[in-house]
Amino acid sequence: AQRVTQPEKLLSVFKGAPVELKCNYSYSGSPELFWYVQYSRQRLQLLLRHISRESIKGFTADLNKGETSFHLKKPFAQEEDSAMYYCAYKYIFGTGTRLKVLA
Amino acid sequence: NAGVTQTPKFRILKIGQSMTLQCTQDMNHNYMYWYRQDPGMGLKLIYYSVGAGITDKGEVPNGYNVSRSTTEDFPLRLELAAPSQTSVYFCASSGNPGSLRSEQYFGPGTRLTVT
Repeated sequence: AQRVTQPEKLLSVFKGAPVELKCNYSYSGSPELFWYVQYSRQRLQLLLRHISRESIKGFTADLNKGETSFHLKKPFAQEEDSAMYYCAYKYIFGTGTRLKVLA
Repeated sequence: NAGVTQTPKFRILKIGQSMTLQCTQDMNHNYMYWYRQDPGMGLKLIYYSVGAGITDKGEVPNGYNVSRSTTEDFPLRLELAAPSQTSVYFCASSGNPGSLRSEQYFGPGTRLTVT
């Protein structure tokens, strides 16, 4: 069965520290992987998609087919990055990771 | 563009009552989705639609019904509400999978409580 796993429910880091939010997937077919973010009192919105290979708000995510992972990374966390992050394969979502960036 | 709109924002239902959650999108997307979000459980797909007149079940369809008479609208119907349906409901739409616009656009959500 297709599944997206985000092993961490909560990740706390200090401002300026590197961030890595983990995502592992299992699927068959062509990859369509996304990271969505939900800031406080805002709706879910797209952060990154694997196909575009771009950096948004300093975040990047690399598809590793060997490890079936699509981890989200940022070298220096900022307080405004505090939010809920969801990894998704098409319309299948992980359980989300809450990122807290501490001052 | 308003994007994806949902009504109502909040609702309290009594056990056994029914209601319809409305969802409208103005981006001419073929695909539309309904999710429920329970605390600590992420988003679970209830139903989705690939175009007007076509709907299919997701992971948790029991207790819900949908229809898609137009491209823009995708209402979710709850029949005989139960406490287990207390959740936050999100509607979303997207372009066709595999296209450059396959990401989902979400509505603001409807917080439903069944008591």
